[in-house]
Amino acid sequence: KQEVTQIPAALSVPEGENLVLNCSFTDSAIYNLQWFRQDPGKGLTSLLLIQSSQREQTSGRLNASLDKSSGRSTLYIAASQPGDSATYLCAVSLYYSSASKIIFGSGTRLSIRP
Amino acid sequence: DGGITQSPKYLFRKEGQNVTLSCEQNLNHDAMYWYRQDPGQGLRLIYYSQIVNDFQKGDIAEGYSVSREKKESFPLTVTSAQKNPTAFYLCATSRQGQETQYFGPGTRLLVL
Repeated sequence: KQEVTQIPAALSVPEGENLVLNCSFTDSAIYNLQWFRQDPGKGLTSLLLIQSSQREQTSGRLNASLDKSSGRSTLYIAASQPGDSATYLCAVSLYYSSASKIIFGSGTRLSIRP
Repeated sequence: DGGITQSPKYLFRKEGQNVTLSCEQNLNHDAMYWYRQDPGQGLRLIYYSQIVNDFQKGDIAEGYSVSREKKESFPLTVTSAQKNPTAFYLCATSRQGQETQYFGPGTRLLVL
């Protein structure tokens, strides 16, 4: 059974620091991995999607990497800002279909101190 | 303007009562999903639908029911059989054959 784990559950860093969020999954047979952002009481916003054949994706100050063989992904945030404060969720898709099964981690709650 | 709407934002349920959460989309997406999120946890799939008049159970379907009579709409009913309904409910959509899911703003259900 696929399980997705995110450690730590919460992280607080001062503004301007570079930081890394971690995600691990137990079964390497994934189709893709996605990072989402969730603000308190809101829905999810997709940040980056990495296909299983890819090793990384970049968008602005965000860079996500994927190592299928070790079952790990990282989300790197450069020059963090208070507006980056949110919960970040990692999710893996198990197979390609018209309604794929997605398994979510429980998230890392990130707080950027001004 | 395009997107996914969920209503109401907050919903209160009395003991033994059925309540229905609305999810509407104008993205012309074929697939729609319902997730439940509990505090400090990830999302768990309740039901999903790939096409009109068809839907499948997810991991935690007991105590819930859905319908998909129109492409744009996928309402979720929380029945009295669901003994622990307090949670944040998220609706999502995706294009047929595409993996990226787009999420609505959510409905928070509370029990009186």
